[in-house]
Amino acid sequence: DAGITQSPRYKITETGRQVTLMCHQTWSHSYMFWYRQDLGHGLRLIYYSAAADITDKGEVPDGYVVSRSKTENFPLTLESATRSQTSVYFCASRNQGDYGYTFGSGTRLTVV
Amino acid sequence: DQQVKQNSPSLSVQEGRISILNCDYTNSMFDYFLWYKKYPAEGPTFLISISSIKDKNEDGRFTVFLNKSAKHLSLHIVPSQPGDSAVYFCAASASGGSNYKLTFGKGTLLTVNP
Repeated sequence: DAGITQSPRYKITETGRQVTLMCHQTWSHSYMFWYRQDLGHGLRLIYYSAAADITDKGEVPDGYVVSRSKTENFPLTLESATRSQTSVYFCASRNQGDYGYTFGSGTRLTVV
Repeated sequence: DQQVKQNSPSLSVQEGRISILNCDYTNSMFDYFLWYKKYPAEGPTFLISISSIKDKNEDGRFTVFLNKSAKHLSLHIVPSQPGDSAVYFCAASASGGSNYKLTFGKGTLLTVNP
């Protein structure tokens, strides 16, 4: 299916565990982003990528790691999950020359 | 330091009336503005945008107004429908440099009552 997909949709993990959230887009968009949505904070940028093998920190990068070995994939890893990382995570992509993003459906992560 | 502010967490209007959602920004480098709409359990979807060279952009029931001197924009929905009930995010971008990043406000929950 064309578009941007995130997996899993829901995830419960324990404190201290490593967890990876997946993001895949089929358009070959250059830019990809990870945001988290929290009540009272809106959408905050975690990491972004301008192309394969080019990534950079956003507003709230601590505790997260990203990679982008292929244009279409942009996984987000929580190396040692903490309860403060309980959130809804959105991946987005953007084509060169466009301002707007297309978002995935999100991953709701609960850290217990 | 919040660069994009949506000071009203929620707004409730009657079906058929006008909904006005407001957004303020502090970064004078922002030159492109977007509104996104988000339903529960879904990702945000693009609604309407405006460039800083304009002061108004209209798309059907949705109109965005930009007042650069006040660093303020607003989204008008006329007439409001129950299906418009969602969280609305204002976002801004600055061309040049890291122009691929959008900065979002905290969102406003709009409830349209039948």
